[in-house]
Amino acid sequence: GDSVTQMEGPVTLSEEAFLTINCTYTATGYPSLFWYVQYPGEGLQLLLKATKADDKGSNKGFEATYRKETTSFHLEKGSVQVSDSAVYFCALSVRAGSARQLTFGSGTQLTVLP
Amino acid sequence: NAGVTQTPKFRVLKTGQSMTLLCAQDMNHEYMYWYRQDPGMGLRLIHYSVGEGTTAKGEVPDGYNVSRLKKQNFLLGLESAAPSQTSVYFCASGRTGGKSGELFFGEGSRLTVL
Repeated sequence: GDSVTQMEGPVTLSEEAFLTINCTYTATGYPSLFWYVQYPGEGLQLLLKATKADDKGSNKGFEATYRKETTSFHLEKGSVQVSDSAVYFCALSVRAGSARQLTFGSGTQLTVLP
Repeated sequence: NAGVTQTPKFRVLKTGQSMTLLCAQDMNHEYMYWYRQDPGMGLRLIHYSVGEGTTAKGEVPDGYNVSRLKKQNFLLGLESAAPSQTSVYFCASGRTGGKSGELFFGEGSRLTVL
């Protein structure tokens, strides 16, 4: 079935370091791909998305490119801040039954130290 | 701007007790979802609804029931709680059933079953 595998955490970085969180997927057809972020004590929020191959999603300095040839959607940021500390989820959108659904990876905890 | 509101936010139950989690959204979304979040497992879909009066099973539906009597509300019920249902539960809603990936999440309900 469809699935998402993402880099296990936790990840700890110093402020201004470069971030990469790896995400690969298995899916039939052509899924849309997403990164969601969960700040402490909150629900998930959409960070960025890409709906077709070679698309690049970007938001708040984060970027991810939909790579069909490697079935990947790695999240990157050039210079992380303490405020980026959160759990990051990679997800794909599939159709199941009468609705499209999101399938999530297991999440990667990021801690940024000052 | 309420968005998606879940009640209660915390609850402790004894094995065999019943309870209902309420999700309310004020965005006039057609689609609503219940997920559970467990350490190392990401979010798993329990049940979802594509409109008022409709419900469908997700990945992990056993032990849960749902109802969508009003468009803005989606109830998750546990008839006989078990320790395996200790988790954080998230409700989400969306306009296009996840096609765009823009699901809006509540802040979560932490349930402990003793």
